[in-house]
Amino acid sequence: KNQVEQSPQSLIILEGKNCTLQCNYTVSPFSNLRWYKQDTGRGPVSLTIMTFSENTKSNGRYTATLDADTKQSSLHITASQLSDSASYICVVSTPESDSWGKFQFGAGTQVVVTP
Amino acid sequence: GAVVSQHPSWVICKSGTSVKIECRSLDFQATTMFWYRQFPKQSLMLMATSNEGSKATYEQGVEKDKFLINHASLTLSTLTVTSAHPEDSSFYICSARWRDREGYNEQFFGPGTRLTVL
Repeated sequence: KNQVEQSPQSLIILEGKNCTLQCNYTVSPFSNLRWYKQDTGRGPVSLTIMTFSENTKSNGRYTATLDADTKQSSLHITASQLSDSASYICVVSTPESDSWGKFQFGAGTQVVVTP
Repeated sequence: GAVVSQHPSWVICKSGTSVKIECRSLDFQATTMFWYRQFPKQSLMLMATSNEGSKATYEQGVEKDKFLINHASLTLSTLTVTSAHPEDSSFYICSARWRDREGYNEQFFGPGTRLTVL
């Protein structure tokens, strides 16, 4: 069973609307949680990275939240644009895996923004 | 920012041939690079960890004789898919590790290589 579960699997939103993606994880002990954006046919690009002591972090119109107690994270996209159409991947690491660079990847949420 | 390139971006080959994919860190030195494989609508799966000057470490289930990895310098790692078969068709992504100013072990991903084996 994947230790990083993302929901929904996919979603379609109208341009200009907001949306929230969810990530639940069971990885333990926890070190960092990252959100990546992966455009179709491209490699992932980092959006945010948070440690257990951080509750929220923003990158432009992207805001990530983290609840290390419930092991949940969310990524909120504000005022979506057509260029936000992509797969959003939640990635979690332990202290050991972080030092080795071996991350646990979620399956991603495919977001489609329509005009 | 840190940039990682891959070449080629896509390749089509006949079954039984070998294909080499290059991964380069353009503006930083990477002692460690990673190779991933991604099937459609699935997550990235780590294949191997490539360390400069030493043998690669392969994940369980990944055939080291089929997926040859060479990390000849601090900016270049290559993945060679030997005797490729249609089931090897996939999206191959490399990443290079770099410690950023805040101390995070960050990975910068290449744009990926689409391999299609006929």
